[in-house]
Amino acid sequence: GAGVSQSPSNKVTEKGKDVELRCDPISGHTALYWYRQSLGQGLEFLIYFQGNSAPDKSGLPSDRFSAERTGGSVSTLTIQRTQQEDSAVYLCASSFQASHTDTQYFGPGTRLTVL
Amino acid sequence: TQLLEQSPQFLSIQEGENLTVYCNSSSVFSSLQWYRQEPGEGPVLLVTVVTGGEVKKLKRLTFQFGDARKDSSLHITAAQPGDTGLYLCSGYALNFGKGTSLLVTP
Repeated sequence: GAGVSQSPSNKVTEKGKDVELRCDPISGHTALYWYRQSLGQGLEFLIYFQGNSAPDKSGLPSDRFSAERTGGSVSTLTIQRTQQEDSAVYLCASSFQASHTDTQYFGPGTRLTVL
Repeated sequence: TQLLEQSPQFLSIQEGENLTVYCNSSSVFSSLQWYRQEPGEGPVLLVTVVTGGEVKKLKRLTFQFGDARKDSSLHITAAQPGDTGLYLCSGYALNFGKGTSLLVTP
């Protein structure tokens, strides 16, 4: 079956521009997560969605970052007025439920470069 | 935030050697997961350990959860080039360590 897909795979943008990153989770998975991975760093949790509950936005680094999940499926991570420090790989994952023992299935990521 | 420290940060070994990598925390975790990430891809779950003292084996990989559920280790026997990758541990509340980058050369 299809795994988690992300688009675009690479994005180069200029400082100050807005970007949108898309994630298509595995069908039927109720939980969706966004992470950021910088060079030499682990995965930094950004936000997660569980069903129809309000998302946990506790990991978003600033108000320039936002995410939405439409119809309980596709999610979009938006970064406004991008800065060079936003350059990283943005990973999306989904799981059947948001249990701490549930397997998270990751997409291949979007590599964002802010010039 | 519960901090997960992984060591070593980098490890380069030859095919056939054994190795152990570690994941430590000052906090207690109800469970801990190990992932492997290959270049250009997302992490893939290897194992979840739940019980203190638990040992799980996955072919040549042996995972152990500390008795106090604060630490874990991953031991690879007779490493192969296909084991090359970034090994990440993850605890509850979506925390990940920085990982151990393993390179196995033929």
